[in-house]
Amino acid sequence: QQQVKQSPQSLIVQKGGIPIINCAYENTAFDYFPWYQQFPGKGPALLIAIRPDVSEKKEGRFTISFNKSAKQFSLHIMDSQPGDSATYFCAASKLPSNYQLIWGAGTKLIIKP
Amino acid sequence: KAGVTQTPRYLIKTRGQQVTLSCSPISGHRSVSWYQQTPGQGLQFLFEYFSETQRNKGNFPGRFSGRQFSNSRSEMNVSTLELGDSALYLCASSGGAVEQYFGPGTRLTVT
Repeated sequence: QQQVKQSPQSLIVQKGGIPIINCAYENTAFDYFPWYQQFPGKGPALLIAIRPDVSEKKEGRFTISFNKSAKQFSLHIMDSQPGDSATYFCAASKLPSNYQLIWGAGTKLIIKP
Repeated sequence: KAGVTQTPRYLIKTRGQQVTLSCSPISGHRSVSWYQQTPGQGLQFLFEYFSETQRNKGNFPGRFSGRQFSNSRSEMNVSTLELGDSALYLCASSGGAVEQYFGPGTRLTVT
């Protein structure tokens, strides 16, 4: 019940396309859902996060869609660029225990020029 | 503000040895969490410290331990190293809000 399932494992998209990464969780007690971006040799960097009281959140070219009834959330990257090529992780936690994030397995995204 | 710093960045140890990794959080942040990242298991929570106290611990054996100092800097120690301990060890700091900020990690290789 603590798992967060992330798909796909890898994704190749042409520049300008809209990659979509999906995550599903089981524990209905989770109430904080962040997305992290990780480049090789670097630690994960927080991209955007959502709470279950909203269905969508946008920050720049990144959008999270949240479906509480389906226990799913997804990341969309608009107008994707080669510089967006990285590994993306979804995560979940029960606040205030944000320090104990449960992580998805990661999606390796490649944006082709 | 300077980000989270971790030292050393790379480390090679032999089975049976012990290792200590260091993390300096963002100035003003009092919470420090540690994670292990491996290709097979992904990111796994090790433990979290706040004001020198361990608040929570993940499912790792007792060979993994940590501590936090009064200036919020934290160390983690792994004793009796095993080959399976080879991983990227990440430290994250938090300043009271929900966001966690990660350091670049320490790449530990056990031979």
